[in-house]
Amino acid sequence: LAKTTQPISMDSYEGQEVNITCSHNNIATNDYITWYQQFPSQGPRFIIQGYKTKVTNEVASLFIPADRKSSTLSLPRVSLSDTAVYYCLVGDMGSGGYNKLIFGAGTRLAVHP
Amino acid sequence: NAGVTQTPKFQVLKTGQSMTLQCAQDMNHNSMYWYRQDPGMGLRLIYYSASEGTTDKGEVPNGYNVSRLNKREFSLRLESAAPSQTSVYFCASRETGMDPQHFGDGTRLSIL
Repeated sequence: LAKTTQPISMDSYEGQEVNITCSHNNIATNDYITWYQQFPSQGPRFIIQGYKTKVTNEVASLFIPADRKSSTLSLPRVSLSDTAVYYCLVGDMGSGGYNKLIFGAGTRLAVHP
Repeated sequence: NAGVTQTPKFQVLKTGQSMTLQCAQDMNHNSMYWYRQDPGMGLRLIYYSASEGTTDKGEVPNGYNVSRLNKREFSLRLESAAPSQTSVYFCASRETGMDPQHFGDGTRLSIL
């Protein structure tokens, strides 16, 4: 299983772009990178998933360099409602791999007015 | 569309009592999961069911049992609750392939 390392906490201000980097030095060939968001008193919510290069959806972008040993979740123009914990997960998303994913402690993002 | 529904939302037990946490999903997903989350920590997998009729242990299965009642429902049972099982319990489901997990809003369980 690829171990991930991400900052414990980050602070930002409304309107800024936030980039959260996750390190996964021993990522395997079949592994994908997935990010979840969790608000207090709620279950995690899927944000974005990717394998290489760049993935973008209506919420965020995910940048993955060629060596895939790290990835960066980019949140454009954050608002107070983006205050949450963000989890980076790495694993084989096939039928067996999802059962082995590990949620670490995540990154606590605090957005200030 | 309800998604993943967990009941109850809150529960207080005494040490030694038994309890079943219920989870139901209405997305026709094949796989279902139970996690626990302790304060300030990530989620740890207790048990999962890759498909109806199968269950397997996750990272922290001791003290728990599960039942995949049908495709919709996956229950978690504490036979003899212990204070160390005080936690927030999350149920999740997913389809197969690349589909991500969909989580319920959790059951907050306190054991005195």
